[in-house]
Amino acid sequence: DAKTTQPPSMDCAEGRAANLPCNHSTISGNEYVYWYRQIHSQGPQYIIHGLKNNETNEMASLIITEDRKSSTLILPHATLRDTAVYYCIVRGRLYGSGNTGKLIFGQGTTLQVKP
Amino acid sequence: DTEVTQTPKHLVMGMTNKKSLKCEQHMGHRAMYWYKQKAKKPPELMFVYSYEKLSINESVPSRFSPECPNSSLLNLHLHALQPEDSALYLCASSPARWGSDRSSYEQYFGPGTRLTVT
Repeated sequence: DAKTTQPPSMDCAEGRAANLPCNHSTISGNEYVYWYRQIHSQGPQYIIHGLKNNETNEMASLIITEDRKSSTLILPHATLRDTAVYYCIVRGRLYGSGNTGKLIFGQGTTLQVKP
Repeated sequence: DTEVTQTPKHLVMGMTNKKSLKCEQHMGHRAMYWYKQKAKKPPELMFVYSYEKLSINESVPSRFSPECPNSSLLNLHLHALQPEDSALYLCASSPARWGSDRSSYEQYFGPGTRLTVT
């Protein structure tokens, strides 16, 4: 699975959009980009995933560059409850193998939303 | 019910003790996972069960022994642990069979058991 690089920390003002970048320059054509977050003292929570098209759900938007070497997670109106560690994960599709496509968490970005 | 529950929330044990961690889900998920998370570090996969069978063991020491007695329950038996095993132990489940395309993005995590080995 491709390696990801994220800034260690970011701040965002409450009510503003939080844009969290992720570099995955070695991503291959069949690898997905996933985002999870971990709020303090809780288990990780799935946010969104995508292959090459931009994706949006009720939590966030995911923008993947055309060359797929980087992506940005957007929280459109950050609240204090969005303060968490955000993990960008790249993993491949699985075709009957139990030893590929594991969730390998990197160091993540600690997002601090400030009032 | 969209929850993964873990008990106990906290556990303190000596190096000669035997204890067990429990994880339960009632979402009908057929893949269940154990992760270990040290302080200020990301979670690391330990074990994966698919349809109650062990699919992956990430070279975890034998002092950790997983068990999946049924599709809703996952245990982690602990014996002769070391102080460096102190960590947050996270359980997760996913709806799809391990080895399918969906097995990663829909992992639901429990709140974890914080283990301290003295």
